[in-house]
Amino acid sequence: GQQVMQIPQYQHVQEGEDFTTYCNSSTTLSNIQWYKQRPGGHPVFLIQLVKSGEVKKQKRLTFQFGEAKKNSSLHITATQTTDVGTYFCAGPSPERTGTASKLTFGTGTRLQVTL
Amino acid sequence: DTGVSQDPRHKITKRGQNVTFRCDPISEHNRLYWYRQTLGQGPEFLTYFQNEAQLEKSRLLSDRFSAERPKGSFSTLEIQRTEQGDSAMYLCASSLSGRQPQHFGDGTRLSIL
Repeated sequence: GQQVMQIPQYQHVQEGEDFTTYCNSSTTLSNIQWYKQRPGGHPVFLIQLVKSGEVKKQKRLTFQFGEAKKNSSLHITATQTTDVGTYFCAGPSPERTGTASKLTFGTGTRLQVTL
Repeated sequence: DTGVSQDPRHKITKRGQNVTFRCDPISEHNRLYWYRQTLGQGPEFLTYFQNEAQLEKSRLLSDRFSAERPKGSFSTLEIQRTEQGDSAMYLCASSLSGRQPQHFGDGTRLSIL
């Protein structure tokens, strides 16, 4: 079945440093979604990328979808303590009808930010 | 703006007991999903509904698990004869359609004694 891996598993940075997490899927994805889960919280949708090579920015966060639509990255510039949490990428699994639905989540990258 | 709500937030029960969780999705969302998440892992898909129809079930969902969405609104997930391995966070999510982002509830944390 479809597998989605993320590296690194964990990263500890000092506030102000940059952070990047990488996501790789075993299958081509129709889109890639990114979620953030704070400690003790639930996954919160951040963004969806659809086009090959697409790059989207949200303030200090930059998301990229690979040309082959099998990998993606999330880069945070100048991390803040509010960025603490686990970042998951997720890819939809195609159904018989061709409309993607259920998500296969990546293994997640836990980010710790200290002052 | 009411999001996805789940009840209860926590459930502690003895092994062998039956438990039922409820999920109320965002009102206009016709897709509803159940996931299970254990510590340090990403959510794992269990099942999903489009309106009242259950369209897919994961192999993770043994015969002890059953989910319903009788009127296409709220959903219930029942686990019969609970086992230690069922201890996890059970997350519900809803979306407007299959390709739209999923919005998660706070989850129900199940602990089996």
